[in-house]
Amino acid sequence: AQSVAQPEDQVNVAEGNPLTVKCTYSVSGNPYLFWYVQYPNRGLQFLLKYITGDNLVKGSYGFEAEFNKSQTSFHLKKPSALVSDSALYFCAVSASEGNNRLAFGKGNQVVVIP
Amino acid sequence: SAVISQKPSRDICQRGTSLTIQCQVDSQVTMMFWYRQQPGQSLTLIATANQGSEATYESGFVIDKFPISRPNLTFSTLTVSNMSPEDSSIYLCSVDPWGQGRGYGYTFGSGTRLTVV
Repeated sequence: AQSVAQPEDQVNVAEGNPLTVKCTYSVSGNPYLFWYVQYPNRGLQFLLKYITGDNLVKGSYGFEAEFNKSQTSFHLKKPSALVSDSALYFCAVSASEGNNRLAFGKGNQVVVIP
Repeated sequence: SAVISQKPSRDICQRGTSLTIQCQVDSQVTMMFWYRQQPGQSLTLIATANQGSEATYESGFVIDKFPISRPNLTFSTLTVSNMSPEDSSIYLCSVDPWGQGRGYGYTFGSGTRLTVV
């Protein structure tokens, strides 16, 4: 079954600095990869996805992520973090065949320091 | 993408009672999903609900505890039955608006924050 690892519990970054949230995955077959963000007392908001094509995908709010098949990674990045980016970020993976369940990582709390 | 209305947004319930959570989608969707997010943890899939058939439950979740209805292509309910404090979680519904069944941009409701006292 598919699984996701988000190795860091919390990511602290100064406002204006680059932000990176790490994600590695395990799946049989080709992966479908997603990033979601959760603000306090809110549901999940979709940020971006990789299904096929260009390894660098761009999403909402200036975020992007790069699919690296050899490293089985899908790290989320933003060139210049904003205080409003402080939230909980989840990486998720689904498989292109077989079990189509969406497996989530444990989430990373991002804290952007003014 | 689909827009989901989920209610209630939060509730505080007495142990031993039941709560029904509603999920309304603004378009017809084939697959709807119910997740649980326990405090400080990630999302766990409870079940998949397809219209016209019984819900499919994940390991560790049973129909008697979490009965699900899916009367049409735009609506579903999840009931948390005979609640205990361990059921305190955020419950989220999700849809697969493209009907691909492969996680193409799943959309999530805003969640129901349940506290059982």
